[in-house]
Amino acid sequence: DQQVKQNSPSLSVQEGRISILNCDYTNSMFDYFLWYKKYPAEGPTFLISISSIKDKNEDGRFTVFLNKSAKHLSLHIVPSQPGDSAVYFCAAQDSNYQLIWGAGTKLIIKP
Amino acid sequence: DTAVSQTPKYLVTQMGNDKSIKCEQNLGHDTMYWYKQDSKKFLKIMFSYNNKELIINETVPNRFSPKSPDKAHLNLHINSLELGDSAVYFCASSQGANYNEQFFGPGTRLTVL
Repeated sequence: DQQVKQNSPSLSVQEGRISILNCDYTNSMFDYFLWYKKYPAEGPTFLISISSIKDKNEDGRFTVFLNKSAKHLSLHIVPSQPGDSAVYFCAAQDSNYQLIWGAGTKLIIKP
Repeated sequence: DTAVSQTPKYLVTQMGNDKSIKCEQNLGHDTMYWYKQDSKKFLKIMFSYNNKELIINETVPNRFSPKSPDKAHLNLHINSLELGDSAVYFCASSQGANYNEQFFGPGTRLTVL
């Protein structure tokens, strides 16, 4: 049973527009959420995170929103750039500080 | 001066063989991890070491044995390789066991024939 779900395997967005990547989770005890970005043949790299006591965290073009009642978080990228094309993983931290990962969403930025 | 490095990057081997994947981090981190990315692209934790001590050992066949000679290295040895072991294996590190930001190596793609 997947505790962290990214239901969209892929997403295609025009350059300059907003990219919205979604993530749902089932365990209400998760207290920290992270987004990682992964290019082909490389390991994931940390992008942005949010604590469960917040509902928004912003870092430049990247904003993560957390809706605890819906057990849903999203990553917004504005404006989208060609270099944003990658696989984005959502991860949640459990009470043992272990990260539980989603399956990833492949973001394609079209020129 | 790669922060987290793994060798080899690709590994092709026959069923039944024994192989090792090496991981080194130069970030001065205390905690290191091994993940397996399966065919469905999920990253699943296998092991975690904090200051050379095993702290997480998920349900992994005992054919997999991690070795941490020092806190900068966490090697993964796999005995009697099986077809189902084919996957990409990622090493990662973090400042400590309670630090959630993890730094990943480039991965090792293991193919068992």
